Amino acid sequence: DIQMTQSPSSLSASVGDRVTITCRAGQSISTYLNWYQQKPGKAPNLLIYAASTLQSGVPSRFSGSGSGTDFVLTISSLQREDFATYHCQQSYIFPLTFGGGTKVEI
Amino acid sequence: QVQLQESGPGLVKPSQTLSLTCTVSGDSVTSETHIWTWIRQPAGKGLEWIGRIYTIGSTNYNPSLKSRVTMSVDTSKNQFSLRLTSVTAADTAVYYCARASVDGGVIVDSWGQGTLVTVSS
Repeated sequence: DIQMTQSPSSLSASVGDRVTITCRAGQSISTYLNWYQQKPGKAPNLLIYAASTLQSGVPSRFSGSGSGTDFVLTISSLQREDFATYHCQQSYIFPLTFGGGTKVEI
Repeated sequence: QVQLQESGPGLVKPSQTLSLTCTVSGDSVTSETHIWTWIRQPAGKGLEWIGRIYTIGSTNYNPSLKSRVTMSVDTSKNQFSLRLTSVTAADTAVYYCARASVDGGVIVDSWGQGTLVTVSS
């Protein structure tokens, strides 16, 4: 299995801040990396796929980068509705694996 | 727009079998461009992929659960199902059914709302 490691596990930020979340894969996965946002009591929601492609309807303040083993999710200017948990997921090979999640708090 | 809805018992006794069904609307479980998957999340923890089924009969399961998992498709009802045998408290989680595209990797683009399954006597 490919292990996915996210950092930090949680962070505190303010509205308007620039936020970066890192995801590291245990082996190279090219750009087969997706990011999801999950709000309390809700299912995850796809934000970015293939490392850097924004899902339709996702605000442009979200961006993704990286390839190989190291990936970054950036929120350029944090909005109140962005306070949530973010998960990365490798789609390179089965079994699909997720990072442990990063909780973004006020 | 595709919608997925999980259904099944919310409480299962230890050593028994967990059975969940996902009803799909807005797409077909026989789609050749999507796979159908189950993912679970214990309270306060991360997401764990359980397995996937593609059209009729083609499956992949998480090796950590493989000996206990079976997935199937009912095309007449446009549903797919999960069976997990010999459950323990460690199987207590919110279970999500989801659809994934397979164009450029496996991308989970639609999720059910999730259903909490508690394993307890």
